Amino acid sequence: ELQLVASGGGLVQPGGSLRLSCAASGFTFSSYWMHWVRQAPGKGLVWVSRINSDGSSTTYADSVKGRFTISRDNAKNTLYLQMDSLRAEDTALYYCARSVSGGSADYWGQGTLVTVSS
Amino acid sequence: DIQMTQSPSSLSASVGDRVTITCRASQSVATSLSWYQQKPGKAPKLLIYTASSLLSGVPSRFSGSGSGTDFTLTITSLQPEDFATYYCQQIYSTPLTFGGGTKVEIK
Repeated sequence: ELQLVASGGGLVQPGGSLRLSCAASGFTFSSYWMHWVRQAPGKGLVWVSRINSDGSSTTYADSVKGRFTISRDNAKNTLYLQMDSLRAEDTALYYCARSVSGGSADYWGQGTLVTVSS
Repeated sequence: DIQMTQSPSSLSASVGDRVTITCRASQSVATSLSWYQQKPGKAPKLLIYTASSLLSGVPSRFSGSGSGTDFTLTITSLQPEDFATYYCQQIYSTPLTFGGGTKVEIK
């Protein structure tokens, strides 16, 4: 069964850092591009970042560029999101998702909640 | 950045109704458009990709159409399990922007 399990969320102070992980199973992780998408409480979906299958190419939303870093370890079937200089507006549920057909996200993890507050 | 505008932002409908949701892009995205369904407390689910291709396992009452800047998601006969929020997303160019969502509620 295909699974994406996100973890690493929590409460962090403004200016702090957090690293999210997304453990993949049930498919050939190294063959797929991957996304991070976030959703603030009661709000809509916002795309955050994407990485290609071998990790050599990454793209980011302007709102996180220079602060967040997406990466992957294909040997461990795991996707990461390093989040630095966190702001209150980064508070959200962060989803990892598998990318297919040019960018559509066909499988999503359950999300991990990040709260930035003093 | 390409802006995606959905309308309406919410609608009330009855079981069996035909429902149409529209999504407009601020510039052409060809057919690089996806539709997602999200229920409260759950992750989104992909319904349609490349504007009109139905993902395997998605009921045939869902359909998508359009190209360029104007797209529609149609549910031909609304079922109780279809009450949810629907999002469009352009995958033509980064950042991969979503529409604001359309909440489909029970009348």
